[in-house]
Amino acid sequence: QKEVEQDPGPLSVPEGAIVSLNCTYSNSAFQYFMWYRQYSRKGPELLMYTYSSGNKEDGRFTAQVDKSSKYISLFIRDSQPSDSATYLCATGGGDSNYQLIWGAGTKLIIKP
Amino acid sequence: DVKVTQSSRYLVKRTGEKVFLECVQDMDHENMFWYRQDPGLGLRLIYFSYDVKMKEKGDIPEGYSVSREKKERFSLILESASTNQTSMYLCASSLGGTQETQYFGPGTRLLVL
Repeated sequence: QKEVEQDPGPLSVPEGAIVSLNCTYSNSAFQYFMWYRQYSRKGPELLMYTYSSGNKEDGRFTAQVDKSSKYISLFIRDSQPSDSATYLCATGGGDSNYQLIWGAGTKLIIKP
Repeated sequence: DVKVTQSSRYLVKRTGEKVFLECVQDMDHENMFWYRQDPGLGLRLIYFSYDVKMKEKGDIPEGYSVSREKKERFSLILESASTNQTSMYLCASSLGGTQETQYFGPGTRLLVL
């Protein structure tokens, strides 16, 4: 079993839809939870960062962490074609030292 | 703005060749990382370095070595390239611990024939 599970997709939705992207993780010691966005032929960039449980909102994006169920979510409201990218979840802390543990990434396609 | 640059965007090499991938960051970050990215497998850590001349193996170090002689530069070496090392290679840097943002370069797409 991988430490972080993420459905690779692709996930295709119409413009304006609410998108839900999810990951599960296995190590209860993880404390830091991140979402990176990767456009085609580019490196990943940090999109959202959450420490421990709870929600964090930034514009159309909401990151949610439920440590009791070891579940990480990213919601995108009013999705735009420019949101089409691969979204990678990552987590770390506890005994992972400097390493982040990465999900496989979900390819998201927003259809105009 | 943090900038991480990688020496090549695309490389084509032959089996058995020695391959050097270079990465440079301009923000005085302590940590530097080399990942490979393959479809369906996400990012897999090859090596990371937390200081000059210091290195730690990641999840898939076999067939690779690294060098960090200066703080801003981290090199990945494929001692004898093989076809199963065809992949996207991403370099990243970060300031300190796990909670710090990792900044990525644009990647090098390596094809080994």
